[in-house]
Amino acid sequence: DIQMTQSPSTLSASVGDRVTITCRASQSISRWLAWYQQKPGKAPKLLIYKASSLESGVPSRFSGSGSGTEFTLTISSLQPDDFATYYCQQYNSYWTFGQGTKVEIK
Amino acid sequence: EVQLLESGGGLVQPGGSLRLSCAASGFTFSSYAMSWVRQAPGKGLEWVSTLSDSGTSTFYADSVKGRFTISRDNSKNTLYLQMNSLRAEDTAVYYCAKGGKGGPYWYFDLWGRGTLVTVSS
Repeated sequence: DIQMTQSPSTLSASVGDRVTITCRASQSISRWLAWYQQKPGKAPKLLIYKASSLESGVPSRFSGSGSGTEFTLTISSLQPDDFATYYCQQYNSYWTFGQGTKVEIK
Repeated sequence: EVQLLESGGGLVQPGGSLRLSCAASGFTFSSYAMSWVRQAPGKGLEWVSTLSDSGTSTFYADSVKGRFTISRDNSKNTLYLQMNSLRAEDTAVYYCAKGGKGGPYWYFDLWGRGTLVTVSS
């Protein structure tokens, strides 16, 4: 089974900050990686697929990069609506989620 | 409007059964793989099961294999999850998710609001 590890688990940041979340796979998953945003009591929302493809309607301040085993999600300028928990997910071999990264207000 | 709406959750005793439904609208349901993902209270996301668009290929997490069965009725635009031999650790919000195309498997590009399953005596 492929394991996904996100870091950090919690991130404290201010509005306007550049934020980077890292996701590592236990084996190569090529570029078959997605990122989701989840707010409390709500369903997850797709942000990025195939490592760097921005889902329609998602603000351009979100970007993804990486391939193989190491990936990043970057928010170029954190907005109030971005405080949430973010999950990476591999879909190279079945499906596995990372444990999540909570982005909280500093 | 493109949406997924889950139903069928509730309180069930350990060892009991429950069937979840997910009604799809606003897209060609029969053209997409569909999945169930769950989230235990205060925990992260856990993939549960996926069914191909044709219904011929099924996939299950080890934690539910042999106890849960995923199925679909393309004529009713509905996805199901039959859950048997339920355990306390199955307590979670269960989300229905639509598969996005591209890749060896599928990412999840549309999610329902979820339905809560509580397994307790």
